[in-house]
Amino acid sequence: DIQMTQSPSSLSASVGDRVTITCRASRGISNYLNWYQQKPGKAPKLLIYAASSLHSGVPSRFSVSGSGTDFTLTISSLQPEDFATYFCQQAFSSPRTFGQGTKLEIK
Amino acid sequence: QVQLQESGPGLVEPSETLSLTCTVSGYSIRLGYYWAWVRQPPGKGLEWIGSKYHGENTYYNPSLRGRVTISLDTSKNQFSLNLISVTAADSAIYYCAREDSSWSYFDYWGQGTLVAVSS
Repeated sequence: DIQMTQSPSSLSASVGDRVTITCRASRGISNYLNWYQQKPGKAPKLLIYAASSLHSGVPSRFSVSGSGTDFTLTISSLQPEDFATYFCQQAFSSPRTFGQGTKLEIK
Repeated sequence: QVQLQESGPGLVEPSETLSLTCTVSGYSIRLGYYWAWVRQPPGKGLEWIGSKYHGENTYYNPSLRGRVTISLDTSKNQFSLNLISVTAADSAIYYCAREDSSWSYFDYWGQGTLVAVSS
């Protein structure tokens, strides 16, 4: 199985801050990398697919970079609705696997 | 608008079978996409259980060691999960989701249903 490791596991930031979350795959996954946002008590929501494509309705303050094994999700200017847990997921091979999550909290 | 809704018992006894159904509205499951189950123990991460495409293709997580079956009922526009021989480790929130067949992203999710395994 491909292991997905996110860092940091948690992060405190303020509204307006720029934050970056990293996701590392245990072996190369090309650009088969997806990102989700999950708020407490809710299902995950797709943010980004195929490493760099924003899902419909996702604001442009979310951006991604990376290919192969190392990927980053950047939120350029945090908004109150962005405080949530973020998961990456590899889609290169089965079984599909997720990172352990990064919890973004308000400072 | 595509919507998914899980249904099934919230409590299952150890060694019994966990059975859940996902009802899909706003899209016909026979038209394409994979139909998937993902679970999440409360407060923990996400685990993919398996995905089935209308037709033959079905993929399961090997970690579930042959205990899982996903089936589609196109007449009801539903798909189901059966997990046999459950233990407390199978207690989780179970989500159904639609999975893109090319990039394997999950673009629509049910709200999730909490299943506890306990006697």
